[in-house]
Amino acid sequence: DAMVIQNPRYQVTQFGKPVTLSCSQTLNHNVMYWYQQKSSQAPKLLFHYYDKDFNNEADTPDNFQSRRPNTSFCFLDIRSPGLGDAAMYLCATSRGVWGEQFFGPGTRLTVL
Amino acid sequence: AQSVTQLDSQVPVFEEAPVELRCNYSSSVSVYLFWYVQYPNQGLQLLLKYLSGSTLVKGINGFEAEFNKSQTSFHLRKPSVHISDTAEYFCAVSDAEEYGNKLVFGAGTILRVKS
Repeated sequence: DAMVIQNPRYQVTQFGKPVTLSCSQTLNHNVMYWYQQKSSQAPKLLFHYYDKDFNNEADTPDNFQSRRPNTSFCFLDIRSPGLGDAAMYLCATSRGVWGEQFFGPGTRLTVL
Repeated sequence: AQSVTQLDSQVPVFEEAPVELRCNYSSSVSVYLFWYVQYPNQGLQLLLKYLSGSTLVKGINGFEAEFNKSQTSFHLRKPSVHISDTAEYFCAVSDAEEYGNKLVFGAGTILRVKS
């Protein structure tokens, strides 16, 4: 089945220790998104890639970076995680910016 | 900027009873509206969407929603719920006049179906 895969599903890191979350897709969609969902809150868009073009949301902290080496993969890098960065991180893809967004299962990040 | 309000954080309901999950959005500009469902430890799945046309939208699993522009609402309904409908439901909106389908989500409503 075509799908959006996120690895790992659970990630524990230490305060200030860089961490990378991974997303891959077999849908061949050209748009990929990263959302942050804190406990009991709505998912919030961090940034998205339209093909290779990176689009950062205005209020996304500089601590968050992203890489998209090819169509299938997208990475979320948190340079110096703080306690407030503990959250579920959701990856989504779509065909074009107006296409339906398909979500992965998420990676739950814990910061100790 | 758009915002979405889901008026109920939790809705308990008995199996086979009807349910309505409420959603209001902030702006009266042209919008696209969505309902997503999230089962425990899973990603979001699209239930239904309103882009244009008929204000009554039917989705998967027997859910439907009605777009009401004057009340800026998009409430989700199901006439008879099942235990398997227990999940968290998110309403989302995007601005149809802004490039890119940037979804703004509500805080979610947990639907608990009891036997």
